[in-house]
Formats: sequence, C-alpha cells, structure tokens
Amino acid sequence: GNSVTQMEGPVTLSEEAFLTINCTYTATGYPSLFWYVQYPGEGLQLLLKATKADDKGSNKGFEATYRKETTSFHLEKGSVQVSDSAVYFCALRIWGRRAGNNRKLIWGLGTSLAVNP
Amino acid sequence: DAGVIQSPRHEVTEMGQEVTLRCKPISGHDYLFWYRQTMMRGLELLIYFNNNVPIDDSGMPEDRFSAKMPNASFSTLKIQPSEPRDSAVYFCASSFPPFRTGGKLTDTGELFFGEGSRLTVL
Repeated sequence: GNSVTQMEGPVTLSEEAFLTINCTYTATGYPSLFWYVQYPGEGLQLLLKATKADDKGSNKGFEATYRKETTSFHLEKGSVQVSDSAVYFCALRIWGRRAGNNRKLIWGLGTSLAVNP
Repeated sequence: DAGVIQSPRHEVTEMGQEVTLRCKPISGHDYLFWYRQTMMRGLELLIYFNNNVPIDDSGMPEDRFSAKMPNASFSTLKIQPSEPRDSAVYFCASSFPPFRTGGKLTDTGELFFGEGSRLTVL
C-alpha cells in the first residue's frame, strides 16, 4: 500500500541552524510528493512539491528533492528562523491514467519544529 | 481573494448534542475535502466531493457523521449525536480542477485549507 513515514518530533533548533526533516514513502505507481506546513492556530498550506523523480521543490528557503532510488523527499533549510516554528507534513498523491483522478493525499504524522532565538 | 472559510472556529458542546460545521470553499474550486486532526491519529480524510458529489466517504467514522454539499459554495459536516471522542480540529480544504497550459494537462492537487473548527465535546 501507499504510506508516508516522517521523522518523529519535536525538533528543537537554535536560530540559523541547519534543518533536515526526513520523509520516506512507499507507493504503487508514480506519486507526486508534497510538504505542507501548519503554523500555530492555522490550517495547513502547501510549502513545496515535486511531481517526478529528481525534481527539486523549493520555497521560502526550504528545499526537497524527489529521490526515487531511496524513496525519499527530505525537507531541508540552511538557516532556520524563529518564524519557521510550525508543524511540517510530508504527503504523497498517486494520480495519472491508471490511478484516475484520485485526489486523496497520503499524509505523514507531522513533525513539530521549534526554533529558539 | 478570500480563502476557505469555516465556521464556527470553536465549538464546545455536551455529549449527545448535534454539531454542525460549515465550510465555504474558494470560488472556482470544484473539490472539497473534510479532514479531522487529532494528536493521536494525525490528519484523517473524512470525505471529499467533486462538483458537489461525494467521491470517497470511506474515512467517515460511523453513521453519526454525515456531510453534504448542496451547492458549489457551501458544505456541512454534521455529527449527531456527538461524543467526547469526536473532540478534534476539523478542517475543510478545497482545490481547483485540472487545467491545460501549452497543451499539457496539469493537475497539482494542491489543497487550500481553512483555519479549522476546534470541537470539544464534554
């Protein structure tokens, strides 16, 4: 079956530290991969995405590369800020001719990040 | 543009009472999703609609839960009777249909979430 596994949190970093949040997946077919972010008291919002192998998604200084050989989509940022404190969710979607117009996302459990000044 | 609008933002009720959560999706989006978020189970998809028609309701926990979408701009999630284990944050999300750019069909599937309705059942 399809699944997403994220590293457990919480992750606590000091400002300007390097961030990596690991995400691995299992999927039948060819998934699109996503990172969503949830700031305190808000809904989730798309942070970045990649739709095929070797694609790199990037936004707001965050990056993730779709690695088919290791079935991974790790989230990285070179220098975190206090404002990056949030919960980060990795997700996948199987779609295409065989999967049909399947709009369901398979979600990881989320990784909480706290950045201290 | 207004985002996905949910109401109420907070609801506290007693066990056995009926709860109705409301959602207005972004105009032009033809998919609407209801999610439930708890610490124990994370983010769960309850049901989603396409063009007001329920496509997949396999995540609806039990008969106490029902969802409707009478038109393209409004949906409700109803719990009757409510139980303490229903306490959670309920999110509504919407997304736009596939579109063509330069002859290529693009379907990002990006979800736009509301701010959520926090339900507490005592």
